[in-house]
This record gives sequence, structure tokens and C-alpha cells, in this order.
Amino acid sequence: DTAVSQTPKYLVTQMGNDKSIKCEQNLGHDTMYWYKQDSKKFLKIMFSYNNKELIINETVPNRFSPKSPDKAHLNLHINSLELGDSAVYFCASSQVGTDTQYFGPGTRLTVL
Amino acid sequence: QQPVQSPQAVILREGEDAVINCSSSKALYSVHWYRQKHGEAPVFLMILLKGGEQKGHEKISASFNEKKQQSSLYLTASQLSYSGTYFCGTEMDSSYKLIFGSGTRLLVRP
Repeated sequence: DTAVSQTPKYLVTQMGNDKSIKCEQNLGHDTMYWYKQDSKKFLKIMFSYNNKELIINETVPNRFSPKSPDKAHLNLHINSLELGDSAVYFCASSQVGTDTQYFGPGTRLTVL
Repeated sequence: QQPVQSPQAVILREGEDAVINCSSSKALYSVHWYRQKHGEAPVFLMILLKGGEQKGHEKISASFNEKKQQSSLYLTASQLSYSGTYFCGTEMDSSYKLIFGSGTRLLVRP
């Protein structure tokens, strides 16, 4: 009965590799988000999709590419991973009209 | 554009009160408050919309001063479970784009 789920929970990889993080929500929400939380706990929005359409695209390197196959899923693909990409990545979702965002458990990415 | 939170950290004894402030240099549409415990996801506490509305949630309440572009989170009779990092997130318009402050670490001791 998990509301917002992410896989994997932990991801350890070498510099230069390509990796993906998956997110799914079963709340029936229209909008989904990706956030990055760095080692200083700073939580920054990266992308947002509304009904599979990109609506927020912050200043994020082109190596990051979100994909929303349907409104319940939002995946994040990262190419050519760098040390600075190490962080916790949170997926979130919200329903139009309520603004309340529900966060997934996070994916801790460590780039070696 | 990032809202400024103060204080950065607070240590309380169980039962004591605390106030966490969030201020913005830009006009705000809404302020959201979240609490994050170590190793967990941020959890929504409450949202305050433009209009200076004050909201309450058990012993946690918040206010939004639209003129000053400030919001305050009030924690009364704190419990051990209140420990965590509190974030305010601000919206300039109804665009769903939340800009979070740097967080306030709250520790409640027995």
C-alpha cells in the first residue's frame, strides 16, 4: 500500500556509468517531481511532470533525463555519472489543486 | 530566491516550545512545511496560502505574514517525536515549484 515508491533504495556505481532510478505512485496524482538532496541536506527541485508533460526543468546537466511513460511513473536516467552526482534523490507526487507533495523513500546514489 | 530559515538548529527539553522562521525576499503564493527524520523522506506538515492564514495541527501550528513574506512554525509542548529537520518550501505562484530553505535541525531531549 506504499504511496510513492522508488527503486533502488541504494545505488553504488563507478564514475562514467549510466544508471536509472524508477518512481511509481499509486495515489492517482497528476504531478510528479524529482528532487536532489545533497550531503548538506539542501533539497532542490530538478524536474516536474504533469500528466506526462514536462512542466519544471531546473538548471540540471543534460546528463539527467527524466521520462514519464504514464502519469503514475516518473523515471530518472543519469548518463556519465560524476562524483558530484552523489546524493539522495527523492521522487514526489501531488494532485492538482492541493499542492501537498508526497515524497518517496529516496534513492541514495553513491558515485565512486 | 531560496528562503532563509532560522534558527539553523535548536535543542529543546521535552515539553518546551520552539519557533522556526522562514522568510523570503520575493512575494509568496504559499509556504509549505515539512519534517524530515534522519534517513527518511520529508513528510508534509501543513501549507499556508496567501492571505495570512494560520493553521494548526495538534501541537504544531504555523502562520504566514504575507506583507513580510514570512512564515513561522510553532511547536508547543515538544515531544521526542518532534526531533528532525524542518524545511519550509515556498511557492511564488501556483506552479508547483517549491523552493526549499536550508532546514532547521530540531533535537528534543528527555
